[in-house]
Amino acid sequence: NAGVTQTPKFRILKIGQSMTLQCTQDMNHNYMYWYRQDPGMGLKLIYYSVGAGITDKGEVPNGYNVSRSTTEDFPLRLELAAPSQTSVYFCASKTGAKETQYFGPGTRLLVL
Amino acid sequence: QQPVQSPQAVILREGEDAVINCSSSKALYSVHWYRQKHGEAPVFLMILLKGGEQKGHDKISASFNEKKQQSSLYLTASQLSYSGTYFCGTEIGSYNTDKLIFGTGTRLQVFP
Repeated sequence: NAGVTQTPKFRILKIGQSMTLQCTQDMNHNYMYWYRQDPGMGLKLIYYSVGAGITDKGEVPNGYNVSRSTTEDFPLRLELAAPSQTSVYFCASKTGAKETQYFGPGTRLLVL
Repeated sequence: QQPVQSPQAVILREGEDAVINCSSSKALYSVHWYRQKHGEAPVFLMILLKGGEQKGHDKISASFNEKKQQSSLYLTASQLSYSGTYFCGTEIGSYNTDKLIFGTGTRLQVFP
């Protein structure tokens, strides 16, 4: 049982490039989340999903897109990368309401 | 909407106690506490739900005052392993929303 896995671990992007951050969970969790964490700061919710085919915006969705075609995968797409998107991105999942979120190891992204 | 945590930082000797507070300007349905070590993902500690239900760590305790929209995390007889940054995640509102708004964080350092 690997839990929540994220790839890549680290990536450098040039301004204007695009990329997809991958998130997979093998716990059959319905709920999945994407957060970003800027240095020395708390976590900000980007997008979340309560099940396959259902996604919704969080606090800071601008510049990002998501899709959820399967229960296991919840990729985050960055279009036209900007320096302000330099951050650590965490994916998380949980089974249902009133349960805790389990976090993946994170993806460190640097946009230059 | 971001909850405010206090203090911002705490320095302890092993065996000492600490209290970390999380305060919101909005009504809360639940409060989730996490600890994050440098360069790692947040790890679940406690959930406190409206109505008094709690789930979590057996060596850490917490309280949730719904009327005051506050939660406190109690760390007793601290160990070196308690070092890290503590975050509260809050579900804002009167019912389950499945979205967490994280606090500003409290950095805890425990020395021998």
